Amino acid sequence: DQQVKQNSPSLSVQEGRISILNCDYTNSMFDYFLWYKKYPAEGPTFLISISSIKDKNEDGRFTVFLNKSAKHLSLHIVPSQPGDSAVYFCAASGYSGGGADGLTFGKGTHLIIQP
Amino acid sequence: DVKVTQSSRYLVKRTGEKVFLECVQDMDHENMFWYRQDPGLGLRLIYFSYDVKMKEKGDIPEGYSVSREKKERFSLILESASTNQTSMYLCASTFQGGSYNEQFFGPGTRLTVL
Repeated sequence: DQQVKQNSPSLSVQEGRISILNCDYTNSMFDYFLWYKKYPAEGPTFLISISSIKDKNEDGRFTVFLNKSAKHLSLHIVPSQPGDSAVYFCAASGYSGGGADGLTFGKGTHLIIQP
Repeated sequence: DVKVTQSSRYLVKRTGEKVFLECVQDMDHENMFWYRQDPGLGLRLIYFSYDVKMKEKGDIPEGYSVSREKKERFSLILESASTNQTSMYLCASTFQGGSYNEQFFGPGTRLTVL
């Protein structure tokens, strides 16, 4: 049973426009959510996170929105740039106080930024 | 800067061989993790450790074991490699007791089992 779902395997966006990546979760015990970016042949790198007590977190071009009632979060990238082309993983944790547990990842969305 | 290193970027082994994947982190992190990444399946947690000599099973521990003899080193062991263990293996680490769960990943080891 998949607890973190990214239903779009790929997304194509024109350079300069907004990219919106979506993620749904089923486990109501998750209280911390993260987005990772991964280039081929490299490990994932942390992008942005949000605690369940917030509904929005912004860092430069990246904003994550959390809708707890819908168990849905989204990552917005504005404006999209060619270097944003990568696979984006949504991840969730049920223990925000110490990182003792592993993260539960979605299957990833391959974002392609077209010139 | 946190650095997580993995002993090999690419590895080719034969079915039945014993395989060791090594991971070292230099930030004195208590927690270390092993994941595998497969196309269409995302990252799945194999094992994690929150202290030296401690280990916990993740979601897919079957066919794997781990060893944590030193704080900075976490090894993943395939006792008898099989073709379905061909995958990208990723090691990660993080602090315990921190305010958030950002995990720092190594570059990955692409393992092929023939």
